[in-house]
Amino acid sequence: GAVVSQHPSRVICKSGTSVKIECRSLDFQATTMFWYRQFPKQSLMLMATSNEGSKATYEQGVEKDKFLINHASLTLSTLTVTSAHPEDSSFYICSASETAGGRGDTQYFGPGTRLTVL
Amino acid sequence: EDQVTQSPEALRLQEGESSSLNCSYTVSGLRGLFWYRQDPGKGPEFLFTLYSAGEEKEKERLKATLTKKESFLHITAPKPEDSATYLCAGRASSNTGKLIFGQGTTLQVKP
Repeated sequence: GAVVSQHPSRVICKSGTSVKIECRSLDFQATTMFWYRQFPKQSLMLMATSNEGSKATYEQGVEKDKFLINHASLTLSTLTVTSAHPEDSSFYICSASETAGGRGDTQYFGPGTRLTVL
Repeated sequence: EDQVTQSPEALRLQEGESSSLNCSYTVSGLRGLFWYRQDPGKGPEFLFTLYSAGEEKEKERLKATLTKKESFLHITAPKPEDSATYLCAGRASSNTGKLIFGQGTTLQVKP
């Protein structure tokens, strides 16, 4: 099956610092990558959709200047949480798919990154 | 507004006790109904995709079915290792690939 990795799996940082999370598709080329956050005992909340080589599309209410997304290649997308604050502490999960919206398109998820901001 | 609703929120079963999880959806021009399994502290693991009413897919003790309004995930003779949160998601007819997730059903199977 399709494998997606995330790095780091866990990060603790001080308030005001920036944190970068990497998402890689290991055995397929991901035209589209998605970034989600998940609070305890809640479902996934989509933050943004990114297509390789173009700007990310952010969901309503997600600050694009705070959550910077770069999808520079067909196997790598990064999420940078800028000037992180305790309320940004959450579980961040990426997913990747080979196509955008076509039949046969499936999102494969990474293992997630637990961010704790002190 | 597109919406996916799962029930029950939580389900406790004895090992071997079969049951079903429900996923009701109102997604315009549904282009795929997805089932995922999520273990605590991990990302969702893909299980099934269903595209047409009447379609069924099976994997080990799991079988997913789809009608025009809902999907069921049937678990036959579950084992403790089937304990997890099961997520259902629908994809609308727009071309973004965006999924609309339900809140999930947390299944606990006791030995």
